[in-house]
Amino acid sequence: NAGVTQTPKFQVLKTGQSMTLQCAQDMNHEYMSWYRQDPGMGLRLIHYSVGAGITDQGEVPNGYNVSRSTTEDFPLRLLSAAPSQTSVYFCASSGGRPFGYTFGSGTRLTVV
Amino acid sequence: DAKTTQPPSMDCAEGRAANLPCNHSTISGNEYVYWYRQIHSQGPQYIIHGLKNNETNEMASLIITEDRKSSTLILPHATLRDTAVYYCIVANTGNQFYFGTGTSLTVIP
Repeated sequence: NAGVTQTPKFQVLKTGQSMTLQCAQDMNHEYMSWYRQDPGMGLRLIHYSVGAGITDQGEVPNGYNVSRSTTEDFPLRLLSAAPSQTSVYFCASSGGRPFGYTFGSGTRLTVV
Repeated sequence: DAKTTQPPSMDCAEGRAANLPCNHSTISGNEYVYWYRQIHSQGPQYIIHGLKNNETNEMASLIITEDRKSSTLILPHATLRDTAVYYCIVANTGNQFYFGTGTSLTVIP
């Protein structure tokens, strides 16, 4: 099993550009989440999904969109990149309580 | 959503037990406590979870107080590779995880 796969691992964007961070899991997990982590801080929840077709906002959703058309994939879209979105982004999936989340290895995004 | 409070940093001598405390005084009766750790900027790694009873696995032990308002993660024989940031998380009933700032554990040779 690959677990949770995030692509790309590194990305540099110019201010105003858009892009999609990809996340895929092969564990048939219903729950998926996106987090961002700024230097020296904990992870903050951006958006989450409790199943295909169902998404909701987390703590810091502004500037990001998500969709969940399949169980396996949960892409995160940056609509118009800003320097404040420079961060490390983590995707995670869970089979539901009481099981915890499995995290991907992250995407390091720099917006210049 | 129940919030957690952890000390920002701790040191532990190599080979000794590391005891990491967490306060979650607003936890609800059916909310689980999870512990994760993050080494450098890697993705967080699951360690252990519990509801009411103490739990043990190959990595660690989790002690939850009877009133469930606090817990302690125990790494029985800390090694240098256990140096990491440790997060205590109370998952809400919707299974969302909200991270705090965690405890930075340094294992000293």
